[in-house]
Formats: sequence, structure tokens, C-alpha cells
Amino acid sequence: QVQLVQSGAEVKKSGASVKVSCKASGYIFTDYYIHWVRQAPGQGLEWMGWVNPHTGGTNYAQKFRGRVTMTRDTSISTAYMGVSSLRSDDTAMYYCAKQRAYGDLLPGYWGQGTLVTVSS
Amino acid sequence: DIQMTQSPSTLSASVGDRVTITCRASQSIGIWLAWYQQKPGKAPNLLIYKASTLESGVPSRFSGSGSGTEFTLTISSLQPDDFATYYCQQYNTFFTFGPGTKVDIK
Repeated sequence: QVQLVQSGAEVKKSGASVKVSCKASGYIFTDYYIHWVRQAPGQGLEWMGWVNPHTGGTNYAQKFRGRVTMTRDTSISTAYMGVSSLRSDDTAMYYCAKQRAYGDLLPGYWGQGTLVTVSS
Repeated sequence: DIQMTQSPSTLSASVGDRVTITCRASQSIGIWLAWYQQKPGKAPNLLIYKASTLESGVPSRFSGSGSGTEFTLTISSLQPDDFATYYCQQYNTFFTFGPGTKVDIK
């Protein structure tokens, strides 16, 4: 069965960087895009971008361009999402999600989330 | 950018009630709309895609309709497991979520 297992919670200082991992299993990793979505405490969902595991190509929401980097390592079926120059408003739960189906880019199956806390 | 709105923001209902949530897009998105359910402390769960197609495994009491700029999610008979927050998401141009509708117990 499809599984997306994310790395553990992180606590970072303002100005630092963080890198969250998302290990996939139960399907062919390179066949489906991985999305990243975040949710600030008590707030709604915010799409950040996607990475194409086959090519490494990415597409970022305008808000995150220049500060977010999405990569992947096909040898270990793992996607990564990094955020630099962290601010307090980056405190959020970060989710990875697999493309729903071949030909349908919609986020379908989600990881359990990684809480990133940014303190000053 | 396409903006999404939802109404109401909170809905109080009882088990067995018929519940309807509305989602509006700032411009036409065709049928490229999805609905997710999220429970506290959990990741979102996809319910409906392409405005009205039920994801595999989702109970048939959930249904979606609409096209263009106005969409609805209907729960025909609310069950105890359905108390949660519901988000719409457009995927016509990039991906944008609505602000959410919390369904709580009346």
C-alpha cells in the first residue's frame, strides 16, 4: 500500500534553514509528482509547489519562489523540501502528498506531516 | 491568482442532517475542483475530485456538484465521523485552497 513517511519535528531559529524529507513506498516513486502543502497553527492549507521525481523538475507557488527548494533522491524514493531564511510565520505543519493518479496532478495521498517551529 | 471562498465558515449540525457547503472561485475553473476532509491533528483526506467524482473508498453520502465558479459539497445524512473541517481546492491553474468550513456538533 502507498505510504509517505515524513521526517520528525524540527525547531529552528529565525534565519536558519530546514529540510524536511518524505519517504515513499508502495508505488513507483518516479511515476508520480510529490506536492508540498503547509498549514500554520489553526489556519488553512497553503500549496507550496511540486517536484517531478522522474526529472527533478519543480513548480513553486509565487510566494515561495527563491526561498523554497524541492528535490528528490530516486535511489531511496525520497522527496525533500527545504526552506531558507526562516521566519516566525513559517511555523507550520508541512505535508507532502502524492499525485492522485497518473495524468491527474491533484494531491491525493498525504504524509503524516512534519511540524516546523521557528523561534526567535 | 485564482481566489477561493467558502461558506459558511462554521456550520453546526446534528447527526442525520443534510449538510451543504458552498465554494466559489474568483474566475472560471471548469470542473477542476476537489474537496478534502481534515480532522484535528490529521492530514487532509481527498473526498471528491473533478467537482463530482467520488474518490475510491469515500462513502456515498458525500457528493459534489457545480462547474465554472460555483460548487457545492453535500453530505446527505451527517454521521458522527463527519464532524471535521472541509476544504475545497481548485487545480485549474496551480493549486489554491479555500479557507475551510468547520462542521461541528449542534
